[in-house]
Amino acid sequence: KAGVTQTPRYLIKTRGQQVTLSCSPISGHRSVSWYQQTPGQGLQFLFEYFSETQRNKGNFPGRFSGRQFSNSRSEMNVSTLELGDSALYLCASVPGGGETQYFGPGTRLLVL
Amino acid sequence: EDQVTQSPEALRLQEGESSSLNCSYTVSGLRGLFWYRQDPGKGPEFLFTLYSAGEEKEKERLKATLTKKESFLHITAPKPEDSATYLCAVQGSQGNLIFGKGTKLSVKP
Repeated sequence: KAGVTQTPRYLIKTRGQQVTLSCSPISGHRSVSWYQQTPGQGLQFLFEYFSETQRNKGNFPGRFSGRQFSNSRSEMNVSTLELGDSALYLCASVPGGGETQYFGPGTRLLVL
Repeated sequence: EDQVTQSPEALRLQEGESSSLNCSYTVSGLRGLFWYRQDPGKGPEFLFTLYSAGEEKEKERLKATLTKKESFLHITAPKPEDSATYLCAVQGSQGNLIFGKGTKLSVKP
């Protein structure tokens, strides 16, 4: 069974630009969560989607948004990029009725 | 406020030298405590889920235990390939995972 896939794996942007990251969950998983990982703050929760609806949201500014499609694939968007947005963005999926989150390899974003 | 604290931040062991990693937590309505392993440049790899105090789980050289306030990850006779950052996370009533900062383990041959 294929794991969680994230594209692109690496991305370089400049301040003020926007970026869209994509996540395909494990087949059959309907819940997708996004996390930001930085050396200083560690892993921090961004948001969770289930059946195309945002079910939970972390403490991030409105520049961070996401959505989920009917096939459970998810995208997150960051507008007006800031230097501090440089991080590893991780996506995780959860099987129906389960609690354990399985992570993808992440997208490393560098903002210059 | 839900919180997870891991100690030590870094741990250096000789191959075969057993030790334990600590994860202290405060959370309202614990739904689960999770251990992950993360190698540099990769996403976290799931190891264990613990649900209630007294529960224990084992996998190869790793054993995870849970009390009402903390969890331990015991590593028995570690090998160099066990070198990684070990992350602890709790899931509370809201459903999202709250992570500790991790313990970076180095095992020297």
